[in-house]
Amino acid sequence: DVVLTQTPSILSATIGQSVSISCRSSQSLLDSDGNTYLYWFLQRPGQSPQRLIYLVSNLGSGVPNRFSGSGSGTDFTLKISGVEAEDLGVYYCMQATHAPLTFGSGTKLEIK
Amino acid sequence: QIQLVQSGPELKKPGESVKISCKASGYTFTDYAMHWVKQAPGKGLKWMGWINTYTGKPTYADDFKGRFVFSLEASASTANLQISNLKNEDTATYFCARGGSGIMDAWGQGASVTVSS
Repeated sequence: DVVLTQTPSILSATIGQSVSISCRSSQSLLDSDGNTYLYWFLQRPGQSPQRLIYLVSNLGSGVPNRFSGSGSGTDFTLKISGVEAEDLGVYYCMQATHAPLTFGSGTKLEIK
Repeated sequence: QIQLVQSGPELKKPGESVKISCKASGYTFTDYAMHWVKQAPGKGLKWMGWINTYTGKPTYADDFKGRFVFSLEASASTANLQISNLKNEDTATYFCARGGSGIMDAWGQGASVTVSS
């Protein structure tokens, strides 16, 4: 199975600070069809996950543009440009290039 | 708008069975697959598998083969997850999430299952 390693596991930020979360894959996520099936989700406390980014860098519907995704192959990054209070929660990356689908272990974002 | 509404919390004893439902609205049910994701208390997300809502064919991740069954009531735009011979380690919140090209762009609110004697 593909292992996704997220760093850091805990991130503490002040309002307005820009932060990045890394997601590294044990295998390339570039599919033979040319797509890279890497996604980012946010799970706020007590809520179900919400998809933020799809196919590495595409912003989900209704997602604020302070969120951005980048990367290729095995290295991916989620950036929040100007953290807001509502951004607290756990961030997960997920890959769907290889079966079974797998999630990273999560990065908890705390607001100082 | 797109909604996935799951059934309520369940308290079961070891060895019993449980059935969780996920009712979809706001889109054509058979145009998108349905995924199931497990989250144990305080833990991360684990993909259980998915069901093709057009053909009814399920696909299970290895850890969820045997006691877990995905099914459909397509006329009611509903996907179901049944777990038999419940074990303590099945205690978790189970999410349904829409698949297809918009993979996991919509999630149910989660269904809590507690297994305790």
